[in-house]
Amino acid sequence: GENVEQHPSTLSVQEGDSAVIKCTYSDSASNYFPWYKQELGKRPQLIIDIRSNVGEKKDQRIAVTLNKTAKHFSLHITETQPEDSAVYFCALGDTGFQKLVFGTGTRLLVSP
Amino acid sequence: GAVVSQHPSWVICKSGTSVKIECRSLDFQATTMFWYRQFPKQSLMLMATSNEGSKATYEQGVEKDKFLINHASLTLSTLTVTSAHPEDSSFYICSARRASQPYGYTFGSGTRLTVV
Repeated sequence: GENVEQHPSTLSVQEGDSAVIKCTYSDSASNYFPWYKQELGKRPQLIIDIRSNVGEKKDQRIAVTLNKTAKHFSLHITETQPEDSAVYFCALGDTGFQKLVFGTGTRLLVSP
Repeated sequence: GAVVSQHPSWVICKSGTSVKIECRSLDFQATTMFWYRQFPKQSLMLMATSNEGSKATYEQGVEKDKFLINHASLTLSTLTVTSAHPEDSSFYICSARRASQPYGYTFGSGTRLTVV
């Protein structure tokens, strides 16, 4: 089955710094790569996604980059704010989008 | 926007009893429903995928006779945890997708199940 490794598991930064989270995967057929933010006890919220025909996508302070050859994709958050503190998950959409497989998660803590 | 209503938001039940969790798509037809389980401080683990009118496809290691999934209509899917035990205590969350938006996954708000 699909295997998604996510690093780091925890990340502490100072407000205003950048944060980068990386996911690597093994299934070359994967072609949809979303990132989710989850606050405690809440549903995951889609913050950005990318498809395999695009190498980079940006939305204000958030960007995602994809390297299909190396099979990894990353989430970049610039000018971090305390409200960015949450758990972030990468995910993979498999061929045909029959299911979404999640990474192991990164707990981001942004200190004022 | 697309909304999935999930109920109950939390439930406490005794060991050996069954619990039903409902997910309703309020403003779209959910052709596919995914059910996840999330233990504290862990990731969302896919339990099963169900397409409307068909039997659910379970992930390896998930007991289909224990976790009964029904997706009889395009707006309602249910997960029944049968003969629940304390180790079934977890956060259960559904995710619905419509055929017209293969990249659109709408999550329910989740159900916190505690088995005592």
